[in-house]
Amino acid sequence: GESVGLHLPTLSVQEGDNSIINCAYSNSASDYFIWYKQESGKGPQFIIDIRSNMDKRQGQRVTVLLNKTVKHLSLQIAATQPGDSAVYFCAESIGTASKLTFGTGTRLQVTL
Amino acid sequence: DAGVTQSPTHLIKTRGQHVTLRCSPISGHKSVSWYQQVLGQGPQFIFQYYEKEERGRGNFPDRFSARQFPNYSSELNVNALLLGDSALYLCASSLRGTLWETQYFGPGTRLLVL
Repeated sequence: GESVGLHLPTLSVQEGDNSIINCAYSNSASDYFIWYKQESGKGPQFIIDIRSNMDKRQGQRVTVLLNKTVKHLSLQIAATQPGDSAVYFCAESIGTASKLTFGTGTRLQVTL
Repeated sequence: DAGVTQSPTHLIKTRGQHVTLRCSPISGHKSVSWYQQVLGQGPQFIFQYYEKEERGRGNFPDRFSARQFPNYSSELNVNALLLGDSALYLCASSLRGTLWETQYFGPGTRLLVL
């Protein structure tokens, strides 16, 4: 079946720098995309979402960009902090938000 | 407000045994979904329930079953456990389980099958 994948398994950034986490998806029919953050021993935590009829959405320190032409999704974190260290997953949904398809994740390491 | 809660937090079983995992959604949420997360991978969809009815099922064997109760809490049952069932089992809730609704995840139940 089609799935969501990520380009980089590990991303290391210095505190204060901006982080960009990328995600490629394969199903052009996907309606809805979500970024989750998962810290060790915890469940995924919602960060930000975007609908397929949008190409950009901003939250607090985070921005999600959607490029449907090349089926690419990215998460930008401004002024990365040590508390941002975690595994980040992108997920997609087609038709119903409850059936999310996740990628394998990118580990973000913030160095001091 | 309490988030999604799951019990137990950890569980150790042996092959062939049966396990029941429990989930309570956020107050007011009527849809519950279950996911399996194997170490090092992203969560995989198992089931979705809404108003006690199964709305969706992922690619899992019939050993996996679930149900939702009138108070919208849910149970996931796994029979004849295999070593490969060792994983973090996540429950997520949303208002109605429809498109563009945010799903909120619980902390998960970590199951180890020996």
